[in-house]
Amino acid sequence: KAGVTQTPRYLIKTRGQQVTLSCSPISGHRSVSWYQQTPGQGLQFLFEYFSETQRNKGNFPGRFSGRQFSNSRSEMNVSTLELGDSALYLCASSFSGEGQETQYFGPGTRLLVL
Amino acid sequence: KQEVTQIPAALSVPEGENLVLNCSFTDSAIYNLQWFRQDPGKGLTSLLLIQSSQREQTSGRLNASLDKSSGRSTLYIAASQPGDSATYLCAVTDSGYSTLTFGKGTMLLVSP
Repeated sequence: KAGVTQTPRYLIKTRGQQVTLSCSPISGHRSVSWYQQTPGQGLQFLFEYFSETQRNKGNFPGRFSGRQFSNSRSEMNVSTLELGDSALYLCASSFSGEGQETQYFGPGTRLLVL
Repeated sequence: KQEVTQIPAALSVPEGENLVLNCSFTDSAIYNLQWFRQDPGKGLTSLLLIQSSQREQTSGRLNASLDKSSGRSTLYIAASQPGDSATYLCAVTDSGYSTLTFGKGTMLLVSP
């Protein structure tokens, strides 16, 4: 079974631009979560989608948004990029997103904002 | 608000040593606790998942224990190898959903 895939793997943007990242979950998984990882803050939860609905959201500004498609693939968008948005963005999938399930992570997208 | 702390932040050991990584969490009402491994610049690999009703889980040379009442977990690595060098992250789920709260990790270096 293929794992979680994320595209692109690397991105360089400039301040003020916007960016869209994509995540394809493991086949059959319907829950997709996004996390931001920075050296200072560590891993922080952004949001979780299940069956095309945002079910949970972390403490990030409205510039961070996401969506999920009917095939469970998910995208996250960051508008008006700031230098502090430079990070590794990870997505994770699980079957139903229930608390007792194992989360499977993708390789991440490394975003550099100049 | 749940907070997860990992001690030590970094650890360097010679090959062959047995070692223990520590994780503590402030709210004991968790659904599960997961240990992950992260290689530099890479994603996370799930090592062990301990449900809240369990006390420990084992996989090969790894053994993770959970003491929910005291808010502590340990990851025991037996006979460490250079290939074990990575950052080890502990994360808890404390809601009905899969949202993970992570510690900052322990960076492990095993020297040949």
